[in-house]
Amino acid sequence: EVQLLESGGGLVQPGGSLRLSCAASGFTFSSHAMTWVRQAPGKGLEWVSSVSGSAETTYYADSVKGRFTISRDNSKNTLYVQMNSLRAEDTAVYFCVRGRVLPDYWGQGALVTVSS
Amino acid sequence: DVVMTQSPLSLPVTLGQPASISCMSSQSLVHTDGYTYLHWFQQRPGQSPRRLLYKVSNRDSGVPDRFSGSGSGTDFTLKISRVEAEDVGTYYCFQGTQWPPSFGPGTKVDIK
Repeated sequence: EVQLLESGGGLVQPGGSLRLSCAASGFTFSSHAMTWVRQAPGKGLEWVSSVSGSAETTYYADSVKGRFTISRDNSKNTLYVQMNSLRAEDTAVYFCVRGRVLPDYWGQGALVTVSS
Repeated sequence: DVVMTQSPLSLPVTLGQPASISCMSSQSLVHTDGYTYLHWFQQRPGQSPRRLLYKVSNRDSGVPDRFSGSGSGTDFTLKISRVEAEDVGTYYCFQGTQWPPSFGPGTKVDIK
């Protein structure tokens, strides 16, 4: 059974940093691109960033480019996103998703709140 | 960037009646590999999204056959043949063909 478990969410001040992790199980992690999608409170879904299975290629939405860094450790079956220079508008539930052009399984999400 | 639009944004439905959601893209979603990476997701209240249909019309495992998808190019439709109470939630189309990937704004389905 495919499982994706996010962790690392919390409250952070504007300008601060946070790193989210996503522990994957139930599939061959290195064979799949992985993606972060976020959802602001009461809003729709927004694609944030993706990384290829080999970690060679990364992709970012313009809204986070230069501030967020996606990475993965295939030896640990874990996906990460390092979020720097956080803004109030980054407040959202962040979902870990398997796939990039053909996303399928989603984690339960991690809430990130940016507020002073 | 591709702009995804959905209509309606709110859809009150009667149990047992059909429902239809339209999704339109500002550019063709036919990839150079010939596939159309247009998918549909359901998000029930308080839950993570779940994929229902991929590449326009392919149902995911465990998805009831009352859900169907159709369309091509820039115009796509999700249909529910007979709405059940468990279908309440928000439905999103998503395109993975053009850069950057993008979701539609969502259609909220509830029971009249």
